[in-house]
Amino acid sequence: GENVEQHPSTLSVQEGDSAVIKCTYSDSASNYFPWYKQELGKGPQLIIDIRSNVGEKKDQRIAVTLNKTAKHFSLHITETQPEDSAVYFCAASSTDKLIFGTGTRLQVFP
Amino acid sequence: DAGVIQSPRHEVTEMGQEVTLRCKPISGHDYLFWYRQTMMRGLELLIYFNNNVPIDDSGMPEDRFSAKMPNASFSTLKIQPSEPRDSAVYFCASSSGEGYGYTFGSGTRLTVV
Repeated sequence: GENVEQHPSTLSVQEGDSAVIKCTYSDSASNYFPWYKQELGKGPQLIIDIRSNVGEKKDQRIAVTLNKTAKHFSLHITETQPEDSAVYFCAASSTDKLIFGTGTRLQVFP
Repeated sequence: DAGVIQSPRHEVTEMGQEVTLRCKPISGHDYLFWYRQTMMRGLELLIYFNNNVPIDDSGMPEDRFSAKMPNASFSTLKIQPSEPRDSAVYFCASSSGEGYGYTFGSGTRLTVV
């Protein structure tokens, strides 16, 4: 079955800097890759997703890139702000269920 | 839409008691998922339904756990009897299908003492 690995587990950046979170997946048939943000006391919230027929997608300060050959995808956050502090999860799917990574705790210091 | 609605938000119960968690998915979503989140194990998929039918329950830890979806707008996750190691945050999520993201509820924080 699918296995998703996520790195790093924690990430600290200064406000205004960029943050990058990386994930690898094992199932070459996976074709859908969403990213979720989880704030304290809340459920994970979808922030951006990408499908396997696209190499990059951008939405304001966040972007996701996908390398199907290497089976990895990354989340890029530019001009980080304190409100970006949260736990971020990547996920991959080739069927109707998502397999989640283990999460990255991002801290943005003012 | 009010999103995925879970109840209760918090539950504290004594070991051995029965616990029932409830979920109302987004109207029109055909898939419903139950997850458990702990620091040690992260987000674990327990069971999911498609059109009210259980598709994969391989993540259910043991027979003490059961889930039902009697109709398209309601699902329950039951633990009987509960044990301290069941303490976790339980999330319900719904989706409109393969290749679409999930919408998660706010979760139920369960503490078994």
